[in-house]
Amino acid sequence: EVRLVESGGDLVQPGGSLRLSCAVSGFTFSSYWMGWVRQAPGKGLEWVANIKEDGSDNRYADFIKGRFTISRDNAKNSLYLQMSSLRAEDTAIYYCASIDWYGSSWFFDSWGQGTLVTVSS
Amino acid sequence: DIQMTQSPSSLSASVGDRVTITCRASQSINKYLNWYQQKPGKAPKILIHVASTLQSGVPSRFSGSGSGTEFTLTISGLQPEDFATYYCQQTYSSPITFGQGTRLEIE
Repeated sequence: EVRLVESGGDLVQPGGSLRLSCAVSGFTFSSYWMGWVRQAPGKGLEWVANIKEDGSDNRYADFIKGRFTISRDNAKNSLYLQMSSLRAEDTAIYYCASIDWYGSSWFFDSWGQGTLVTVSS
Repeated sequence: DIQMTQSPSSLSASVGDRVTITCRASQSINKYLNWYQQKPGKAPKILIHVASTLQSGVPSRFSGSGSGTEFTLTISGLQPEDFATYYCQQTYSSPITFGQGTRLEIE
């Protein structure tokens, strides 16, 4: 069974930092691109970042502006999102997801249940 | 950035109805368009990728079409479990963008 389990969400003050984790099981983690997608309360989906199978290629949304870093540890079957200089507008549920390819196109296939990040003083 | 605009933002329908949701891209994205379904409190679920390819396990009442800048998601014969929010997503170029969502409600 494919499982993605996020953790690390918390209440943090503006300007603070947080590290999200996503523990993966049920598939060969090291063979898949992975990504993070977030959803502010009552709002739509927003892509955050993607990372290649071996971590050699990272892609970020424009709003990241160097504040977030996506990484992975294939030996631990884990994906991470290091977030710093957090702002109120970063408040959201953060989902990790595996990426599947169809030719040159791709989509988010399996998703975790999400972890809530709240940025507030 | 490529803007994705869905219409309508919400719609009401009845079980058994046929509904169509439209997604327009601000520039051509070929067929690099995915559709997701999200139910309250749950993670999104992939329905259709590359504009018209049904993901394994997704009921055949869901279908997608389009290319370039205009795409549609059609649900033929709505079932109670289909009432949810639907999102389109372009993967043609970074940054990846989603539509704002279409909420499908029971009439």
